Amino acid sequence: AQSVTQPDIHITVSEGASLELRCNYSYGATPYLFWYVQSPGQGLQLLLKYFSGDTLVQGIKGFEAEFKRSQSSFNLRKPSVHWSDAAEYFCAVGLMNYGGSQGNLIFGKGTKLSVKP
Amino acid sequence: DSGVTQTPKHLITATGQRVTLRCSPRSGDLSVYWYQQSLDQGLQFLIQYYNGEERAKGNILERFSAQQFPDLHSELNLSSLELGDSALYFCASSVGGSGTYEQYFGPGTRLTVT
Repeated sequence: AQSVTQPDIHITVSEGASLELRCNYSYGATPYLFWYVQSPGQGLQLLLKYFSGDTLVQGIKGFEAEFKRSQSSFNLRKPSVHWSDAAEYFCAVGLMNYGGSQGNLIFGKGTKLSVKP
Repeated sequence: DSGVTQTPKHLITATGQRVTLRCSPRSGDLSVYWYQQSLDQGLQFLIQYYNGEERAKGNILERFSAQQFPDLHSELNLSSLELGDSALYFCASSVGGSGTYEQYFGPGTRLTVT
């Protein structure tokens, strides 16, 4: 069955430090992968997506993610974290069924990021 | 602002009651998804509609139902509410019906069942 695992429930980093959030997926076909961010009391905002091609994808707010098929991973990175990055981050895999006419996202449990001043 | 609107923002109701959550997708998007977010279950897919037709069902209880209207807005109906139905309900929309399309999320409706 398809699944997404985010091993870290909560991560704390200092402002200005680098960040890496881990995501592992289980999916039988070519995965379509997404990272979303949720600020407290807000909806989910799409940070970036991977469909095919270059395994390093750039997103908004200075985030990037690297797809590694051999490790079934899609880790999110940022070279220098800002206090405003404190939020919860969700990795997701998109399903495609019935010739592409239906599908949904399967989400990981999320990683909460705290930023120390 | 994602362009997806949801009403109401907050809803407080009693056990056994019925409520309706509303969603308007982004202009041009044909597919609407409903997700439930709770502390213990995380983000769970409930149901998907594409251009008025139901296309996929996830972990949706029989007490819950949804529909998508000709103008493409959608409603999620929750009946015989239980305390465990308290959660954040999100609507998302996308251009196509496949989960490979980017989904844009609304701000959510926070349902509290007392």
